[in-house]
Amino acid sequence: GNSVTQMEGPVTLSEEAFLTINCTYTATGYPSLFWYVQYPGEGLQLLLKATKADDKGSNKGFEATYRKETTSFHLEKGSVQVSDSAVYFCALRGWRNRDDKIIFGKGTRLHILP
Amino acid sequence: DAGVIQSPRHEVTEMGQEVTLRCKPISGHDYLFWYRQTMMRGLELLIYFNNNVPIDDSGMPEDRFSAKMPNASFSTLKIQPSEPRDSAVYFCASRRQGVGGYTFGSGTRLTVV
Repeated sequence: GNSVTQMEGPVTLSEEAFLTINCTYTATGYPSLFWYVQYPGEGLQLLLKATKADDKGSNKGFEATYRKETTSFHLEKGSVQVSDSAVYFCALRGWRNRDDKIIFGKGTRLHILP
Repeated sequence: DAGVIQSPRHEVTEMGQEVTLRCKPISGHDYLFWYRQTMMRGLELLIYFNNNVPIDDSGMPEDRFSAKMPNASFSTLKIQPSEPRDSAVYFCASRRQGVGGYTFGSGTRLTVV
């Protein structure tokens, strides 16, 4: 079945550091891929998405590229801020007509130190 | 757009009591999902609906859990009787047919003592 594996946290960085959170997936065909962010006490928010191979999703300085050859969708940001401290979830949705549900990774907690 | 609205935000109840969680999806969204989040198990999909019809309830932990969607603008998740291990944050999410992601509500933090 479909699955998502992301790096375990917590990840602690200093402000303005470069961020990478690794995510790999297992799925047949061409799933849609997502990154969600959860701030303390809130629900998950869609951060970015990519729906086909080589697509790059981007939002708020974050980027991720859909790499089918390596089945990866790593999240990157060039210069993190304290306000980026949150839990980040990689997720996928299958490409078949009946693949309605999104499969989430376990989440990576990110701490940014001022 | 008011987003996905869940109520209550917090619920504290005694073991054995019935608990009802409520969700109002975004207007026009035809899918609704119920998730449970705990530190140990992460995000678990409990059940989802399409056009008010339950499609997959394989994630519902046991018969104590039930969910309904009587119309396109309202869904409930009921736990009867509740147990301490049900303590978690319960999220509702909705989306429109297509390739997009979900919109999540702010969640209900349930504590069963």
